[in-house]
Amino acid sequence: AQKITQTQPGMFVQEKEAVTLDCTYDTSDQSYGLFWYKQPSSGEMIFLIYQGSYDEQNATEGRYSLNFQKARKSANLVISASQLGDSAMYFCAMRAGWAAGNKLTFGGGTRVLVKP
Amino acid sequence: NAGVTQTPKFQVLKTGQSMTLQCAQDMNHNSMYWYRQDPGMGLRLIYYSASEGTTDKGEVPNGYNVSRLNKREFSLRLESAAPSQTSVYFCATRGEARANVLTFGAGSRLTVL
Repeated sequence: AQKITQTQPGMFVQEKEAVTLDCTYDTSDQSYGLFWYKQPSSGEMIFLIYQGSYDEQNATEGRYSLNFQKARKSANLVISASQLGDSAMYFCAMRAGWAAGNKLTFGGGTRVLVKP
Repeated sequence: NAGVTQTPKFQVLKTGQSMTLQCAQDMNHNSMYWYRQDPGMGLRLIYYSASEGTTDKGEVPNGYNVSRLNKREFSLRLESAAPSQTSVYFCATRGEARANVLTFGAGSRLTVL
C-alpha cells in the first residue's frame, strides 16, 4: 500500500521569505509520481508541480520547486519569495504504478499562513 | 470555459435520503475520479473510471455507486445517506496530453443530518 506523510500541520512564513513543506512517501513500486496541490480557502484544488520517480532533475515551476530525495523517500516543496496569496493548504500526493490508473494517494496537508 | 463542473455545490440531506452528485467535463478526458475530503484531511478516492463504460472502486467505495454515463459525465450516488458521508466531494479528470495531472472540479459540500 502507498502512504504519504506530511508532518507539519501548519506553519507561518514571512512574506518574501522561502518556505519548505515536508513530504515523505512509502511505496514498493519503482515507477511512481509525486505531486503537490494547493487548496486556497475557496476550496478548489490547484495543481502545482510534478516529479516522476525516474526524473533525474528536480522539478521546478516558477516559484515552486520540488526537492526530490529518492533514497530518503522525500519530496519536499519549496516555495520561494512567499506572497500573501500563497496562504493555503498544501497537499502532497503520489501515484504509484501506471496500472493503478493514475489514482492519487494524498497526505493530510500542511496549512501555510503568509504574514505581511 | 473548459473545465470540470460539479452540481450541486451544496446539499443538506437527512439520514436515509438518497441523492446524486453530477460531474461533467468538456476537456475530452478519458479518466474521471470521485474523491472525498473530510475536515482537516487529504482527499480519498471513492471510485474512478478509466474510460467510458468502465468503473472501479477506490479506497472508500462503501455506501456509494457511480455511473459513467458517457465520456463527459460521471455521477456519484448515495443510496441511503449516513452522517459519516458528510464531506466535500471532488470530481477530477485526467487527459492524455498532461497525463500526470488531475484537474479538479470546485467541489460539492454535502451535509447529512
